[in-house]
Amino acid sequence: DAGITQSPRYKITETGRQVTLMCHQTWSHSYMFWYRQDLGHGLRLIYYSAAADITDKGEVPDGYVVSRSKTENFPLTLESATRSQTSVYFCASSDRERQAYEQYFGPGTRLTVT
Amino acid sequence: GENVEQHPSTLSVQEGDSAVIKCTYSDSASNYFPWYKQELGKGPQLIIDIRSNVGEKKDQRIAVTLNKTAKHFSLHITETQPEDSAVYFCAAGRWSGGYNKLIFGAGTRLAVHP
Repeated sequence: DAGITQSPRYKITETGRQVTLMCHQTWSHSYMFWYRQDLGHGLRLIYYSAAADITDKGEVPDGYVVSRSKTENFPLTLESATRSQTSVYFCASSDRERQAYEQYFGPGTRLTVT
Repeated sequence: GENVEQHPSTLSVQEGDSAVIKCTYSDSASNYFPWYKQELGKGPQLIIDIRSNVGEKKDQRIAVTLNKTAKHFSLHITETQPEDSAVYFCAAGRWSGGYNKLIFGAGTRLAVHP
């Protein structure tokens, strides 16, 4: 049972470049989420998706784009990376049939923008 | 706005002692309170959660208590072991705009010394 995976695990990119972080889940969960984790801030929601082709903004969406053409994939794109987007990014998923309360997290992607 | 305060930020205990982490939330509509454990280099792992219609929940050495009147909930770990060393996050959640919105605390770094 692979669960939820993220790639790459580590990424260094330059300011202004586009970068895409991948998230894949094998549970067929309806809901998927992208969070960023910064020291002193805990986890903050960037975007979420309730189902394929349904996405919406979270708390800190500026500078990010998401898509969800398939239930199992939820890529996050930084269209023009900035240093303030240096962070650890976590993808999560939850199951509609369990009232979508429990969220399960992937291993994270550490992104550094130079 | 909505926020969750978590204390202490760091906690050091001797193996076998108990550890208590406390969280206070601001949104009175919150009705779901999960706790996550994050080990170094890994994603947050759900360890226990409680709904607002329950005052206490226990699972082996860990327990969570909830005081809705005071908007306060706590994680209790008894008979701590070195493998309990990690960063622990609390969160307060409620259904909002089509998904379960979680607001996370900033985290507590627990160190259990042999």
